[in-house]
Amino acid sequence: SQQGEEDPQALSIQEGENATMNCSYKTSINNLQWYRQNSGRGLVHLILIRSNEREKHSGRLRVTLDTSKKSSSLLITASRAADTASYFCATMLGGGADGLTFGKGTHLIIQP
Amino acid sequence: DAGVTQSPTHLIETRGQQVTLRCSPKSGHDTVSWYQQALGQGPQFIFQYYEEEERQRGNFPDRFSGHQFPNYSSELNVNALLLGDSALYLCASSLAITGGNHGYTFGSGTRLTVV
Repeated sequence: SQQGEEDPQALSIQEGENATMNCSYKTSINNLQWYRQNSGRGLVHLILIRSNEREKHSGRLRVTLDTSKKSSSLLITASRAADTASYFCATMLGGGADGLTFGKGTHLIIQP
Repeated sequence: DAGVTQSPTHLIETRGQQVTLRCSPKSGHDTVSWYQQALGQGPQFIFQYYEEEERQRGNFPDRFSGHQFPNYSSELNVNALLLGDSALYLCASSLAITGGNHGYTFGSGTRLTVV
């Protein structure tokens, strides 16, 4: 079953604009991770935020976590055509042995 | 530094048959997890291997089995193939001591088509 739900399912913006994707989940988590997937191939780990953290930055990425609302957001600033991809949030519940639980993803298209 | 390597890249097999997918983890990693990703969906956790043993399993039938070798590489076996097994199968590696708190490294996947 899917733990997380990304919103929106699809997003199309102009190059240079900011893109915001949201993720909601159902149960308490250890951490939440965001991954990017190009053209149905392998996933690339973007950023991880622990349950006791509220915000994290990495380059043009900004992630927030609100455990009271069981939600997270991923902001990509100054988008580029190469950012076109599907973005997934994934939650880890315990010590990692249970694996990650993914949402269905947001498909982001950056128009040149 | 090689990342996660999966083989084959593509595989077409007949209903009722069996397949074996292979994964070599990133150098330095000792844990391998397998995921199934149906078209348009997020990946679903199949199971995880550490120290040559299955640690946890997701909601998948016994037709899905695995193995981890002493060099940490892993195989995923699927028996009695169904049309619904058609999917992208992803392998992810990590270091057990980090407990997944540094993210996972994924391979490019094996695209399985059952006909």
